[in-house]
This record gives sequence, structure tokens and C-alpha cells, in this order.
Amino acid sequence: DAKTTQPPSMDCAEGRAANLPCNHSTISGNEYVYWYRQIHSQGPQYIIHGLKNNETNEMASLIITEDRKSSTLILPHATLRDTAVYYCIVRVFDTDKLIFGTGTRLQVFP
Amino acid sequence: NAGVTQTPKFQVLKTGQSMTLQCAQDMNHNSMYWYRQDPGMGLRLIYYSASEGTTDKGEVPNGYNVSRLNKREFSLRLESAAPSQTSVYFCASSDRSRSPLHFGNGTRLTVT
Repeated sequence: DAKTTQPPSMDCAEGRAANLPCNHSTISGNEYVYWYRQIHSQGPQYIIHGLKNNETNEMASLIITEDRKSSTLILPHATLRDTAVYYCIVRVFDTDKLIFGTGTRLQVFP
Repeated sequence: NAGVTQTPKFQVLKTGQSMTLQCAQDMNHNSMYWYRQDPGMGLRLIYYSASEGTTDKGEVPNGYNVSRLNKREFSLRLESAAPSQTSVYFCASSDRSRSPLHFGNGTRLTVT
């Protein structure tokens, strides 16, 4: 399974876009990039995933570089409720193993 | 539609005691997982089950056993609890293919 590298922490002002980077330089052609977040000590919450095209849903956008070696999760208008730990994970297509790293702690401030 | 339900929510054990953590999902998912999360750390995969009747080891399986009782239920057993197993345990489920994982709210276990 490919490894991911994320900064341990980031800050963002409320109302601004939060851009969370992830490096996955050893990603294989059949591995998807997934993003989850964990608020306080709750169970992680799925945000978005993609293979090579950019993806957008009601929560966030995912930008994957053309060489697929890195990606960025964008929260377009961060709110205080977006304060959480964000995990970037790569997952081999159609397998059942999902390995989490240590994530990025995002602090949104007023 | 409750999603993924874990019981109990909290548990305190003495070293050497045994217990079973229960997990049930009502989404008809094929795959189920057990993770542990130590304070200030990410999640580590203990065991997973791709389908009823199958189980596989994850990153940290030592000291644990699992049972996929049926499609809905996946239990995690600690036969002889150790202080190093103090952690928050999360159960999750998903369909196969690219479906995201749905997590329960965790069981907070302390072993003294």
C-alpha cells in the first residue's frame, strides 16, 4: 500500500478556503485517494475520494496532480465546525484494506 | 437506520481479564473492520473481514481475535487484556469496490 505524508497541523481563518496537502509519491495506477476527517474523538467521517480527475461534492473539492503524486483537499469556506484531524489515504481499487496515517490537525479560528 | 453500532461505549478491565467488543451494521455491507486509536495517534487496522466467513489480519492483530458472526456482526475479543491495549476501538463497514467506510462512535477501553 502506498504511503501518504501530510503536515501535522494547519490553521485557517473562518470563511477562507482551507487547502490541505497530501503527498503520495509511490501511488500505483489502481490506487484511489480518499479523505476522511475526525472531529474530537468521534468516528472518522468520509469526505471525498478520487482516482485522477478532480472531484467535488457538497463538502469539499479534491485536486489530484497530473502525475498523481500529490493531492489537495479544499474546504472552500471553512467554518469553526471544520476544526478536525484530516486523513489522506490511498486505497487499492476493490480491496478491503484501508490504512490511516497520522493526519493533519486543522484549526479554524474566528 | 442506525448505521454502525458499537457496544459497549466504555469499559474498564483489569489486566488478564477478557472481553468481547460488539459491532453491528444495518447497511447490508460486505466488509467490516476493527481499528484502534491510541491517544494523539492515527487509526491502526487490527483485523478486517471482506465477507461473511472470512477474516484477515491488519497492522496490529496480536492479542486480538475476531469473529464474523454473520453479515451484520463483527466482534473483537481480547482474551487476556493488557495495559497496552488501552485505546479507543472503532468498527467500520463498507461495500466492496470504492465505497467509503462508515464508522461507529467507538468503544473507549481502559486496562488497569
